[in-house]
Formats: sequence, structure tokens, C-alpha cells
Amino acid sequence: QSVLTQPPSASGTPGQRVTISCSGSSSNIGSHSLNWYRQVPGTAPSLLIYTNDQRPSGVPDRFSGSKSGTSASLAISGLQSEDEADYYCSAWDDYLNAWVFGGGTKLTVL
Amino acid sequence: EVQLVESGGGLVRPGGSLRLSCANSGFTFSNYKMQWVRQAPGKGLEWVSYISPTSTTILYADSVKGRFTVSRDNAKNSLYLQMNSLRAEDTAVYYCAREDCSNTCSFDQWGQGTLVTVSS
Repeated sequence: QSVLTQPPSASGTPGQRVTISCSGSSSNIGSHSLNWYRQVPGTAPSLLIYTNDQRPSGVPDRFSGSKSGTSASLAISGLQSEDEADYYCSAWDDYLNAWVFGGGTKLTVL
Repeated sequence: EVQLVESGGGLVRPGGSLRLSCANSGFTFSNYKMQWVRQAPGKGLEWVSYISPTSTTILYADSVKGRFTVSRDNAKNSLYLQMNSLRAEDTAVYYCAREDCSNTCSFDQWGQGTLVTVSS
């Protein structure tokens, strides 16, 4: 069972907007910034969003992140077929003295 | 171009040992915190270990504490993970990752991973 809680799956049709939630606690999301990673099955993860809402260069502005209290969200607008991947949230946890990840959300583009 | 390349994975029997390596190029390795993250087959990401730039601070997940040892050789731009007393539940793809803290901290570069299979 993961320290950060994500829905196991999400889906949408091309062009739609989808959101993926990530819930934690005061020792992780409540105290530290939240990062999102994207992983196409069979490949390595890559950084998608850092510091709650910042995009690395090369990440389209269709991807946006937000954080409030002990929860965070990833939003993907104008959904495209190539957005099909697994998405993970992550933060530092003061209580565990460890980086923690969500269980991952598999995004399907219908 | 930043590159992280893991090696050393393979099939090992329960109770055995394995040493993973991560060769780094395209950046000043000695300036960066480094991480190991693993992913069991069909499962999510699990943080394994952290090492500071000068090896003064080292952290481990509870699941590997006392069995795994992380180290680095800044002169060789290399990161290592010595894995002892391996168990079936250690079967996973192991990724090395660079931790960038220019803003807040995140894992901004990842290797391609190396598969470790623990089985008799």
C-alpha cells in the first residue's frame, strides 16, 4: 500500500480534459512540494511536473499541476493518444525520512 | 547530453548478492545527489536509496536497510548499489536517478533501468 494515494486508472477521449488526484498527509504533501512522473510501459520514468506546478522544458503546457493542503492534482487538457502512460506522484516524507510515491494511475485514451 | 546507464542486473538465487552500477555523463556528477528507485514487475515505483554528493549522507528504505549499500565514485562518475541477502521480493527493474534541487528537489534524469531477478 502506497503512502500517497492515486486512483489506479483514469480515461478520456481525445481532446478531453482529465485529472489525476494524489492524496497524502501533513508529513509529505502537506510539508513539501509535489512532483509528477510519467512512464510509458517498458520505458524509464521521466519528470513531468516539479515543485507542484512547474513544467520541465519540453513538457507541453497541456500538462498542469496544482497542490492544496495534503492533496495534489495533475490535469491533462486536449488529451492525445500519446498521453497513454502511467502517472506517479511523489514527495519527500518527513516521518519516514524517505521519498514516497503514489501507486500510479494508468491513463487510457479511449 | 545527460546520460545515466545502469548495469549489473541479472538472475541471482535467494540469499545471493549483486552489485549494480550506474555510469553518468553529460553533467558534473560530483555536484548531484543520486537515488536508486526500483519497480517490481507490474507494480509501481519504490524509492530504495539516496546518497549525497560527497557520500556524507546516505539513506535507505526500510525494506532494504541492512542488506543494501549505496556508494559512489565521483572520480569515475559512477554510482553503485551493493545488494546482499537478496529475496524474491527484491525482483525489480532498478533505476538510478539524478536528484536536482535547483528549485525544490525532483528526480530530473533517469537511467533506462537494469532488471534484477531473484529466483531459485
